[in-house]
Amino acid sequence: DVKVTQSSRYLVKRTGEKVFLECVQDMDHENMFWYRQDPGLGLRLIYFSYDVKMKEKGDIPEGYSVSREKKERFSLILESASTNQTSMYLCASRPYSTTNYGYTFGSGTRLTVV
Amino acid sequence: AQTVTQSQPEMSVQEAETVTLSCTYDTSESNYYLFWYKQPPSRQMILVIRQEAYKQQNATENRFSVNFQKAAKSFSLKISDSQLGDTAMYFCAFMITGANSKLTFGKGITLSVRP
Repeated sequence: DVKVTQSSRYLVKRTGEKVFLECVQDMDHENMFWYRQDPGLGLRLIYFSYDVKMKEKGDIPEGYSVSREKKERFSLILESASTNQTSMYLCASRPYSTTNYGYTFGSGTRLTVV
Repeated sequence: AQTVTQSQPEMSVQEAETVTLSCTYDTSESNYYLFWYKQPPSRQMILVIRQEAYKQQNATENRFSVNFQKAAKSFSLKISDSQLGDTAMYFCAFMITGANSKLTFGKGITLSVRP
């Protein structure tokens, strides 16, 4: 069964800490995405990557960075966590394809910054 | 830029009845896909149904069907014979065609199915 695995289901961090959210996929997908989910706001794209070491900003990149050193792993980094980054974070992947548009999602990391 | 609007934040339906969830979108593109995703309390996003913009026929998946009105830029989801397991958040989403394309989501709607 194909999978996108997010390393933590729940995470509590202190303001100012550097936070790493990890995402690993086993489907050899080229495209990977990080979304943030907040009540009443839906899912908003933070960053995406279409190849190793490639990244592009999404709609809300401020306060975040990403790293993709290997094809299967896409990390979201909060350089200095703040309380307004308390949220649910969803990782997803899809193949580089013009016929297969299916996303595979991870099960999310609920981050609380105190 | 593409936008997806879900104007109803929540709905409730009696078990075995039919419910329709609304979605409108805005785009200047002509080739795109539309999706409905379900997110139950487990948080796992599940694809419910997909519609290709070039297809006039509305997509159907078992109890789920869509009413796709391209000119009106409307994409509603109908759930027939609602079941308790349909209780979830539902997101409407849009994607232009392309190998690197990404999903744009609406704000979601919380659907509760009453026993």
